[in-house]
Amino acid sequence: EVQLLESGGGLVQPGGSLRLSCAASGFTFSSYAMSWVRQAPGKGLEWVSAISGSGGSTYYADSVKGRFTISRDNSKNTLYLQMNSLRAEDTAVYYCAKGLRFLEWPADAFDIWGQGTMVTVSS
Amino acid sequence: QSVLTQPPSVSAAPGQKVTISCSGSSSNIGNNYVSWYQQLPGTAPKLLIYENNKRPSGIPDRFSGSKSGTSATLGITGLQTGDEADYYCGTWDSSLSGGVFGGGTKLTVL
Repeated sequence: EVQLLESGGGLVQPGGSLRLSCAASGFTFSSYAMSWVRQAPGKGLEWVSAISGSGGSTYYADSVKGRFTISRDNSKNTLYLQMNSLRAEDTAVYYCAKGLRFLEWPADAFDIWGQGTMVTVSS
Repeated sequence: QSVLTQPPSVSAAPGQKVTISCSGSSSNIGNNYVSWYQQLPGTAPKLLIYENNKRPSGIPDRFSGSKSGTSATLGITGLQTGDEADYYCGTWDSSLSGGVFGGGTKLTVL
């Protein structure tokens, strides 16, 4: 079964850091672009960042550029999001999502989503 | 303010049909495929439509998609109470070099 499982969320103070992980299973992880998408409480979806299958190319939303870093370890089938200088407005459920097509970059659709991990930035 | 514009809410009676619009620009919808997602309360989004009008396996043909110029539309026929959810359009924006979503549309089946 194709599955994504996020972890690493929690409560962090403004200015703090957190690293999210997304463990993938059931597909050839290195062959698919991956993304992080977040959803603030009661709000809509916001695309955050994407990484190519090899990990050699990345994109970021302006709202997180310079503060967040996406990476992947294809030997561990795991996607990461390092979040630094966190702000209250980063409070959201963070989903990892699998790009739809084999070897596509960038991905314009996501066919598998994790269950999400909650990040709360508050003092 | 979302890059893609959707109506905040739509409603219709069980068995009826509803359409949800998604408006963008030449840098996103105009030159890239559109996908649609269904998010039931308390759950992760689910892919409903990709490449403007294609359905993943397991998605009933009650759901359809179309695109014209810089706008896209999701259609749902034979509405069921289980279709009550938030619906999002999404695509890639070539100018922003990033993914973009609509603000979401809440469907109420009266």
